[in-house]
Amino acid sequence: DAKTTQPPSMDCAEGRAANLPCNHSTISGNEYVYWYRQIHSQGPQYIIHGLKNNETNEMASLIITEDRKSSTLILPHATLRDTAVYYCIVRGAQKLVFGQGTRLTINP
Amino acid sequence: DAMVIQNPRYQVTQFGKPVTLSCSQTLNHNVMYWYQQKSSQAPKLLFHYYDKDFNNEADTPDNFQSRRPNTSFCFLDIRSPGLGDAAMYLCATSRFRAGDTDTQYFGPGTRLTVL
Repeated sequence: DAKTTQPPSMDCAEGRAANLPCNHSTISGNEYVYWYRQIHSQGPQYIIHGLKNNETNEMASLIITEDRKSSTLILPHATLRDTAVYYCIVRGAQKLVFGQGTRLTINP
Repeated sequence: DAMVIQNPRYQVTQFGKPVTLSCSQTLNHNVMYWYQQKSSQAPKLLFHYYDKDFNNEADTPDNFQSRRPNTSFCFLDIRSPGLGDAAMYLCATSRFRAGDTDTQYFGPGTRLTVL
Protein backbone atom coordinates (compact mmCIF):
# COMPACT_ATOMS: atom_id res chain seq x y z
CA ASP A 1 0.00 0.00 0.00
CA ALA A 2 1.21 3.50 -0.82
CA LYS A 3 2.75 5.68 1.87
CA THR A 4 1.14 8.97 2.91
CA THR A 5 2.61 12.19 4.25
CA GLN A 6 0.63 14.50 6.53
CA PRO A 7 1.62 17.53 8.61
CA PRO A 8 2.01 16.46 12.24
CA SER A 9 -0.25 19.20 13.59
CA MET A 10 -2.63 21.96 12.52
CA ASP A 11 -4.78 24.55 14.23
CA CYS A 12 -8.11 25.95 13.08
CA ALA A 13 -10.54 28.46 14.53
CA GLU A 14 -13.97 27.26 15.51
CA GLY A 15 -16.53 27.90 12.78
CA ARG A 16 -13.93 28.07 10.02
CA ALA A 17 -13.20 25.43 7.43
CA ALA A 18 -10.42 23.03 8.33
CA ASN A 19 -8.39 21.84 5.34
CA LEU A 20 -6.17 18.84 6.02
CA PRO A 21 -3.67 17.95 3.29
CA CYS A 22 -2.26 14.54 2.46
CA ASN A 23 0.42 13.57 -0.05
CA HIS A 24 0.36 10.11 -1.59
CA SER A 25 2.60 10.41 -4.62
CA THR A 26 3.09 6.63 -5.03
CA ILE A 27 -0.61 5.78 -5.12
CA SER A 28 -1.53 3.22 -7.74
CA GLY A 29 -4.61 3.08 -9.92
CA ASN A 30 -6.71 0.76 -7.81
CA GLU A 31 -5.91 2.25 -4.40
CA TYR A 32 -8.47 4.28 -2.49
CA VAL A 33 -7.84 7.26 -0.22
CA TYR A 34 -9.47 6.80 3.19
CA TRP A 35 -9.77 9.27 6.04
CA TYR A 36 -10.34 8.32 9.65
CA ARG A 37 -10.14 10.37 12.79
CA GLN A 38 -9.48 9.41 16.37
CA ILE A 39 -10.72 11.49 19.24
CA HIS A 40 -8.71 11.01 22.41
CA SER A 41 -9.13 7.54 23.97
CA GLN A 42 -11.76 6.45 21.43
CA GLY A 43 -11.65 4.08 18.47
CA PRO A 44 -10.94 5.50 15.00
CA GLN A 45 -14.01 6.88 13.27
CA TYR A 46 -14.51 6.53 9.53
CA ILE A 47 -14.96 9.87 7.78
CA ILE A 48 -14.89 9.44 4.01
CA HIS A 49 -13.10 7.70 1.15
CA GLY A 50 -12.61 8.19 -2.58
CA LEU A 51 -10.89 6.79 -5.64
CA LYS A 52 -10.74 9.52 -8.27
CA ASN A 53 -13.68 11.85 -7.89
CA ASN A 54 -14.31 14.35 -5.16
CA GLU A 55 -16.64 13.06 -2.48
CA THR A 56 -18.89 14.71 0.08
CA ASN A 57 -20.91 13.35 2.96
CA GLU A 58 -22.49 14.73 6.11
CA MET A 59 -19.15 14.93 7.87
CA ALA A 60 -16.67 16.23 5.29
CA SER A 61 -15.56 16.69 1.71
CA LEU A 62 -12.65 14.93 0.06
CA ILE A 63 -10.84 16.65 -2.79
CA ILE A 64 -8.46 14.43 -4.80
CA THR A 65 -6.14 16.03 -7.34
CA GLU A 66 -6.43 14.94 -10.94
CA ASP A 67 -3.11 13.07 -10.81
CA ARG A 68 -4.25 11.48 -7.52
CA LYS A 69 -0.94 12.27 -5.86
CA SER A 70 -2.51 14.34 -3.11
CA SER A 71 -5.83 15.00 -1.45
CA THR A 72 -7.45 17.38 1.01
CA LEU A 73 -10.03 16.63 3.65
CA ILE A 74 -12.31 19.59 4.33
CA LEU A 75 -14.36 20.01 7.48
CA PRO A 76 -16.58 22.91 6.39
CA HIS A 77 -17.48 24.40 9.77
CA ALA A 78 -15.13 23.07 12.41
CA THR A 79 -16.35 22.71 15.99
CA LEU A 80 -14.46 21.98 19.19
CA ARG A 81 -15.61 18.36 18.90
CA ASP A 82 -13.59 18.02 15.70
CA THR A 83 -10.36 18.17 17.70
CA ALA A 84 -8.73 14.80 16.95
CA VAL A 85 -5.94 13.01 15.11
CA TYR A 86 -6.84 12.67 11.43
CA TYR A 87 -5.40 9.76 9.47
CA CYS A 88 -5.09 9.69 5.70
CA ILE A 89 -4.67 6.11 4.48
CA VAL A 90 -4.14 4.75 1.00
CA ARG A 91 -5.25 1.18 0.62
CA GLY A 92 -5.73 -1.43 -2.03
CA ALA A 93 -5.69 -4.71 -0.13
CA GLN A 94 -7.86 -5.32 2.91
CA LYS A 95 -5.70 -3.93 5.65
CA LEU A 96 -5.41 -0.33 6.82
CA VAL A 97 -1.89 0.90 7.51
CA PHE A 98 -2.06 3.94 9.77
CA GLY A 99 0.61 6.62 9.60
CA GLN A 100 1.14 9.18 12.34
CA GLY A 101 -1.69 11.42 11.15
CA THR A 102 -2.35 15.10 11.72
CA ARG A 103 -3.31 16.34 15.17
CA LEU A 104 -5.99 18.95 14.47
CA THR A 105 -6.82 21.38 17.26
CA ILE A 106 -9.91 23.53 16.95
CA ASN A 107 -9.56 26.73 18.95
CA PRO A 108 -12.49 28.74 20.38
CA ASP B 1 -28.07 0.84 16.16
CA ALA B 2 -25.71 -1.59 14.48
CA MET B 3 -22.33 -1.38 16.06
CA VAL B 4 -19.03 -2.87 17.18
CA ILE B 5 -18.91 -3.58 20.91
CA GLN B 6 -15.82 -4.24 22.98
CA ASN B 7 -15.79 -5.55 26.51
CA PRO B 8 -14.47 -4.65 28.90
CA ARG B 9 -13.49 -1.05 28.15
CA TYR B 10 -10.72 -1.25 30.74
CA GLN B 11 -8.87 -4.40 31.73
CA VAL B 12 -6.17 -4.82 34.33
CA THR B 13 -4.09 -7.98 34.43
CA GLN B 14 -0.95 -9.18 36.12
CA PHE B 15 2.33 -9.84 34.39
CA GLY B 16 2.15 -13.32 32.89
CA LYS B 17 -1.54 -13.90 33.66
CA PRO B 18 -3.56 -14.83 30.55
CA VAL B 19 -6.21 -12.35 29.52
CA THR B 20 -9.01 -12.40 26.94
CA LEU B 21 -10.57 -9.38 25.30
CA SER B 22 -13.85 -9.67 23.45
CA CYS B 23 -15.47 -8.01 20.49
CA SER B 24 -18.96 -8.42 19.11
CA GLN B 25 -20.71 -6.86 16.16
CA THR B 26 -24.28 -6.46 15.01
CA LEU B 27 -23.29 -5.41 11.48
CA ASN B 28 -23.13 -8.98 10.13
CA HIS B 29 -19.76 -8.18 8.60
CA ASN B 30 -17.60 -11.02 7.29
CA VAL B 31 -14.23 -9.59 8.34
CA MET B 32 -13.08 -8.83 11.87
CA TYR B 33 -9.76 -7.21 12.78
CA TRP B 34 -7.68 -6.71 15.90
CA TYR B 35 -5.34 -3.72 16.21
CA GLN B 36 -2.91 -2.75 18.95
CA GLN B 37 -2.36 0.92 19.72
CA LYS B 38 0.36 1.87 22.17
CA SER B 39 0.50 5.27 23.79
CA SER B 40 1.08 8.12 21.30
CA GLN B 41 1.36 5.67 18.40
CA ALA B 42 -0.87 4.81 15.47
CA PRO B 43 -2.97 1.61 15.47
CA LYS B 44 -1.13 -1.45 14.21
CA LEU B 45 -2.88 -4.49 12.76
CA LEU B 46 -2.29 -7.74 14.64
CA PHE B 47 -4.48 -10.12 12.60
CA HIS B 48 -7.84 -10.49 10.99
CA TYR B 49 -10.48 -13.09 10.19
CA TYR B 50 -12.04 -13.24 6.75
CA ASP B 51 -15.06 -15.38 7.62
CA LYS B 52 -13.37 -18.30 9.41
CA ASP B 53 -9.99 -17.85 7.76
CA PHE B 54 -7.38 -16.48 10.14
CA ASN B 55 -4.75 -14.09 8.74
CA ASN B 56 -1.83 -13.26 10.98
CA GLU B 57 0.48 -10.30 10.38
CA ALA B 58 4.09 -11.37 10.00
CA ASP B 59 5.34 -9.38 12.98
CA THR B 60 2.57 -10.28 15.43
CA PRO B 61 4.13 -12.07 18.43
CA ASP B 62 3.09 -15.65 19.15
CA ASN B 63 1.87 -14.45 22.53
CA PHE B 64 -1.19 -13.07 20.76
CA GLN B 65 -3.90 -15.46 19.60
CA SER B 66 -7.43 -15.02 18.35
CA ARG B 67 -10.65 -16.98 18.09
CA ARG B 68 -13.77 -16.35 16.08
CA PRO B 69 -16.46 -18.84 17.16
CA ASN B 70 -19.16 -17.28 14.97
CA THR B 71 -19.81 -14.30 12.72
CA SER B 72 -20.68 -11.97 15.58
CA PHE B 73 -17.88 -12.59 18.06
CA CYS B 74 -14.10 -12.43 18.01
CA PHE B 75 -11.68 -12.80 20.92
CA LEU B 76 -8.11 -11.68 21.49
CA ASP B 77 -6.12 -13.90 23.83
CA ILE B 78 -2.83 -12.75 25.29
CA ARG B 79 -1.21 -15.85 26.71
CA SER B 80 1.43 -14.27 28.93
CA PRO B 81 1.10 -10.51 29.03
CA GLY B 82 4.25 -8.51 29.48
CA LEU B 83 4.61 -4.89 30.49
CA GLY B 84 5.14 -4.03 26.82
CA ASP B 85 1.67 -5.33 25.95
CA ALA B 86 -0.04 -2.52 27.80
CA ALA B 87 -2.00 -0.74 25.09
CA MET B 88 -5.40 0.04 23.64
CA TYR B 89 -6.76 -2.93 21.70
CA LEU B 90 -9.12 -2.05 18.91
CA CYS B 91 -11.56 -4.32 17.12
CA ALA B 92 -12.86 -3.42 13.68
CA THR B 93 -15.22 -5.04 11.19
CA SER B 94 -15.91 -4.71 7.49
CA ARG B 95 -18.00 -6.29 4.76
CA PHE B 96 -15.56 -7.42 2.11
CA ARG B 97 -16.61 -8.27 -1.42
CA ALA B 98 -14.05 -9.31 -4.02
CA GLY B 99 -13.30 -6.54 -6.47
CA ASP B 100 -14.64 -3.80 -4.21
CA THR B 101 -13.25 -1.70 -1.39
CA ASP B 102 -14.57 -2.13 2.14
CA THR B 103 -14.85 0.31 4.99
CA GLN B 104 -13.71 -0.74 8.45
CA TYR B 105 -15.74 0.30 11.46
CA PHE B 106 -14.05 0.37 14.83
CA GLY B 107 -15.19 -0.36 18.32
CA PRO B 108 -14.37 1.92 21.26
CA GLY B 109 -11.35 -0.16 22.28
CA THR B 110 -10.21 -1.94 25.44
CA ARG B 111 -7.41 -0.33 27.38
CA LEU B 112 -5.20 -3.02 28.87
CA THR B 113 -3.00 -2.33 31.89
CA VAL B 114 -0.37 -4.90 32.90
CA LEU B 115 0.86 -4.74 36.50
